[in-house]
Amino acid sequence: DVKVTQSSRYLVKRTGEKVFLECVQDMDHENMFWYRQDPGLGLRLIYFSYDVKMKEKGDIPEGYSVSREKKERFSLILESASTNQTSMYLCASTPERYNEQFFGPGTRLTVL
Amino acid sequence: GNSVTQMEGPVTLSEEAFLTINCTYTATGYPSLFWYVQYPGEGLQLLLKATKADDKGSNKGFEATYRKETTSFHLEKGSVQVSDSAVYFCALRRFTNTGFQKLVFGTGTRLLVSP
Repeated sequence: DVKVTQSSRYLVKRTGEKVFLECVQDMDHENMFWYRQDPGLGLRLIYFSYDVKMKEKGDIPEGYSVSREKKERFSLILESASTNQTSMYLCASTPERYNEQFFGPGTRLTVL
Repeated sequence: GNSVTQMEGPVTLSEEAFLTINCTYTATGYPSLFWYVQYPGEGLQLLLKATKADDKGSNKGFEATYRKETTSFHLEKGSVQVSDSAVYFCALRRFTNTGFQKLVFGTGTRLLVSP
C-alpha cells in the first residue's frame, strides 16, 4: 500500500519560532510536494522537489523553505513562524512526472 | 492563467439523493482533469480522472465527463450514502516550463449526507 506520512497531526507554535514539518514516503517516488489548505482557497502549492537536493518554488513560497537530503524525506521549514501561517499543511508524492499524487494525512499548524 | 472554479458548499442531501457538484476550468490546451476526495481527518485521495475531451472518469459510483465545449468536469452520483460525506476537490494538471507536473485545485465543496 502507498504510504505518505507526516510527522505530526497537530502542532502549536509561537510567533517567531522555527518550525519543521516532516514528510516521509515509502514508495521510492521521485517527486514530492508541499501544499497548504485554507477554507475558501483550496490547496495551494508551496514548494516541490523532483529529486534529492532539487527543488522548485510553487505558487506561494514566501516565508517557507524546504529541504530534501534523502529521496524519501521532504521537509518544510518556517524560518520564523507568523500567525498568517496557521493552516493545514499537506504533503504529497508521485512516482514520475505524469502520475497521480498520493497525499499524507496533513498537519494542522497553529501559530499563536 | 490556469484555474478551477467549483460550486460553493456545503451541499446537503438526504441518503439516496442524486448528487451534482459543478466544476469549470480555465486553461490553455486540454489539461487532464481530476476529482479528489478528502474524508474527515484524512489527506486527499484520487477519486477519478479524465485525460482527454469526452473521456468519462468513474469510481465508486461517481462519474464525471470531460466537456471541452463547456470547459466543465461536473461530478455526479446517482444515489449518495452517508459515507460519501466529505470534501470534494476538482483539479487540473498543468506543467511547469521545466516539464514537471503541478495540480491546480478548486476551493473544494463539502458534501453532507444525512440518513
